Amino acid sequence: NAGVTQTPKFRVLKTGQSMTLLCAQDMNHEYMYWYRQDPGMGLRLIHYSVGEGTTAKGEVPDGYNVSRLKKQNFLLGLESAAPSQTSVYFCASRDRVDSPLHFGNGTRLTVT
Amino acid sequence: ILNVEQSPQSLHVQEGDSTNFTCSFPSSNFYALHWYRWETAKSPEALFVMTLNGDEKKKGRISATLNTKEGYSYLYIKGSQPEDSATYLCAFIDAGGTSYGKLTFGQGTILTVHP
Repeated sequence: NAGVTQTPKFRVLKTGQSMTLLCAQDMNHEYMYWYRQDPGMGLRLIHYSVGEGTTAKGEVPDGYNVSRLKKQNFLLGLESAAPSQTSVYFCASRDRVDSPLHFGNGTRLTVT
Repeated sequence: ILNVEQSPQSLHVQEGDSTNFTCSFPSSNFYALHWYRWETAKSPEALFVMTLNGDEKKKGRISATLNTKEGYSYLYIKGSQPEDSATYLCAFIDAGGTSYGKLTFGQGTILTVHP
């Protein structure tokens, strides 16, 4: 039972490069989230989705785009990476609005 | 931006001590409050989902209470053990409108239990 899978696990980018982080869940969950974790800042919400085909902005959406074309996948894109986007990115999902989150294992991104 | 605050930021206790920490959140438009435990090099795992004012939840030596009218929740650990060392996060879910489905986390309380 895979749960929530994030790929890649690690990535190093140069400033200005682009990349896409993939989050896949096999639990048929409606809700999916992208958070970033920085020292002393807890988890900050980047974007989220309340169902296939929907997306919404979180607390820190600038510099990121997302898509949820299929229910099981939530993609996070960085069009032009900046050093400020160096962080650990966590994806999470849940099946109902009153359910807890299930987290992936994180993607460590370094932008030089 | 919602204000979800946790205190203290960090806590050091001795094995066997009991401890507690606080999550403060907006008292209006409340839907639910979650607690998560986050061990180093792992992903956060859910402890409790709390929805009703006066809720009390318990899992082993860990328990939580909820006061939605004044906007706070307490997490208690009885007889702390070194394996309880982790970051404890709370997350606020508001009642909907334009923020439907959104979870906002506090910055966490880092607990270290010394043998």
